[in-house]
This record gives sequence, structure tokens and C-alpha cells, in this order.
Amino acid sequence: DAGVIQSPRHEVTEMGQEVTLRCKPISGHNSLFWYRQTMMRGLELLIYFNNNVPIDDSGMPEDRFSAKMPNASFSTLKIQPSEPRDSAVYFCASSPPFGKSRNTIYFGEGSWLTVV
Amino acid sequence: GQQVMQIPQYQHVQEGEDFTTYCNSSTTLSNIQWYKQRPGGHPVFLIQLVKSGEVKKQKRLTFQFGEAKKNSSLHITATQTTDVGTYFCAGQTSGTYKYIFGTGTRLKVLA
Repeated sequence: DAGVIQSPRHEVTEMGQEVTLRCKPISGHNSLFWYRQTMMRGLELLIYFNNNVPIDDSGMPEDRFSAKMPNASFSTLKIQPSEPRDSAVYFCASSPPFGKSRNTIYFGEGSWLTVV
Repeated sequence: GQQVMQIPQYQHVQEGEDFTTYCNSSTTLSNIQWYKQRPGGHPVFLIQLVKSGEVKKQKRLTFQFGEAKKNSSLHITATQTTDVGTYFCAGQTSGTYKYIFGTGTRLKVLA
């Protein structure tokens, strides 16, 4: 059974460029999360989708960040324009419908972003 | 807003020693989960605790949920080098979907 799939695994980009991170959640999961992890701030929830609808985007740092989930099997996180302080590991995660599998959150392997 | 703190931030132990990390929430939780993240890896689910005072064991790992459901602990007996990583708790409050992750405890085991 494939886990959460993220791409790219690593990205180095120049300040000002647009960055798009992609995620395929586990089939059958109806919740999708985007997290950002840095040494300074730890693991932060950026946005949460349920049944493809954004429920809570209060963690999105600023307007430069946007996320979409056009269907149940695909989501993107876009940063435009990127800045060096956006350098972090971005995790996509999914979880099954409530009541199944104890609300376990399954993380992808992460996208390591470096903005120079 | 809700905060979840973990102590210690770092812990170095000799292989064979015990290790404990503590998780404290500013609000009462409906349940708490624990995750382990290996260096360079992603968080992986370990366990979920739901009941006040609940204790669960997984081999050398013992997880406890406080009576007031505001704190939790993870204890590892006789650590091994394979225990290296960062351990996170994640708390959920009633009526919300959101799990707030703790600050994490990074464990290093010296052989």
C-alpha cells in the first residue's frame, strides 16, 4: 500500500522564484494536511483540507503561500515569490475518515526546500 | 492559543539507560498521540491515548496519559541505538480535528 507521496523531494531555488510542492494522499483518506518543519519553529500546521475543501488555513504564513486540492488524490502548496526564510521541510500528511484507524496522521517523506 | 510543550528539548543517554520525555498542554485534551521521527525522516505514528490515566506499553516503550488529560509521558527502558530520533506528542482538543504537535524531544543514544 503506497504511502503519502510528495514531490519534489529536494528543491533549491533562487529568491523570488515560484515553488510548487505536490502531494498524493493515501487512497481513501479524506483529510489532508500541509506541515512545515524548521529547527526554530518545529512542526507547524499550515492548512487542513477535509473532503478536498480547505477547512483551516490559519497557519498559512502570508499571502505568498497558497494551497489547492482539486481532487481527492492531489494537492499542491505554492510559494510565490519564495524567500530564504521559507527554507524548511514541507510535509504533506493524510488521515482516514474519523473513527477509522484512530485518526492516525500518515506523513509523506517531505519536500526539502532551500531558497537562496 | 493552545500550546504543547515538551521537555527536555534534547537528551543524550548511554545505550542501556532509560529515557523519559514529558508533554504538557495548556488546555485539556481529548486524546494524545505520539510520533517518532528518525534523523532525515518523517514523523511516524506510535500510539494514541484517550482515557484519563491510561497507560500503554509497546515493548520497551511505556506511554502514559495524565489524570487531568493535560500531560503525557513516554518512557523508554534500556535504550538502544535504534531509538535515536525526535519524539513528538500531538494533542487534540474536543470538537476540533486539529492535532497540535509538541516541540519534540531529540534523543541521542551513545553506544
